[in-house]
Amino acid sequence: AQTVTQSQPEMSVQEAETVTLSCTYDTSESNYYLFWYKQPPSRQMILVIRQEAYKQQNATENRFSVNFQKAAKSFSLKISDSQLGDTAMYFCAFMKHSERQGAQKLVFGQGTRLTINP
Amino acid sequence: KAGVTQTPRYLIKTRGQQVTLSCSPISGHRSVSWYQQTPGQGLQFLFEYFSETQRNKGNFPGRFSGRQFSNSRSEMNVSTLELGDSALYLCASSYVRGRNEQFFGPGTRLTVL
Repeated sequence: AQTVTQSQPEMSVQEAETVTLSCTYDTSESNYYLFWYKQPPSRQMILVIRQEAYKQQNATENRFSVNFQKAAKSFSLKISDSQLGDTAMYFCAFMKHSERQGAQKLVFGQGTRLTINP
Repeated sequence: KAGVTQTPRYLIKTRGQQVTLSCSPISGHRSVSWYQQTPGQGLQFLFEYFSETQRNKGNFPGRFSGRQFSNSRSEMNVSTLELGDSALYLCASSYVRGRNEQFFGPGTRLTVL
C-alpha cells in the first residue's frame, strides 16, 4: 500500500516570501503520478500542480514548482512570491498509473496548513 | 464549462437514519470518485465509478454504497448513520484518458447528531 507523509502540520510566512512544503511517499510502483492540491477555507479542493514519475523534469505552474526526487521518494512544493490568496491547506497526493480507463484512487497526506501574513 | 456540483451542501441527520448525497461531474467526465474528509482521518477514498460500474472501493463498511447513472451523475448512500460518519464528503470527476487529474466539487458537510 502507498503512504504519503507531510511532516509540517502548519507553516506561516510573510507575503512575498518563498515557502517550501515537504512531502515524502512510499510505494513499490514504478509508474505513478504525484499532485499538490490546495484547499482554501471555502473548502473547494483545487489542483495546484502535477508530476509524472517517469519525467525527470520538475513541473512548474507560474509561481508554483516542485522538487521531485524519485530515488528519495520526495516531492516538495515551492511557492514563490507568496500571496495572501495562497493561504490554504495543501495536500500532497499519490496516484498509481493504470492502463485501464477511469481514475485510480488518490492517496493523500495529512496536509500542511499554510498561512500567508500581510 | 461548469465544475463538479454536489448537493446538498449541508445535511444534519440523527443516528440510525440514512442519507443520500449527489454529485454531477464535469460535462464529458465519466469517472466519479468519492472521498471522506475528517479532521482525524484526513482524506480517505470511498469508491470510484466508471460507466455505471464500481471499479475501486476503499476500506469502508458496507453501510457506504454508491451508484452511477448513465449520464455519469453519481450518488452515495450511507445507511444506519453513526456519529463517526460526520464528515465532509467530496466528489471528484475525471476524464477517461489523459492527465489523470481529478477535479473536486465543493463537498457535502454531513453532521450526525
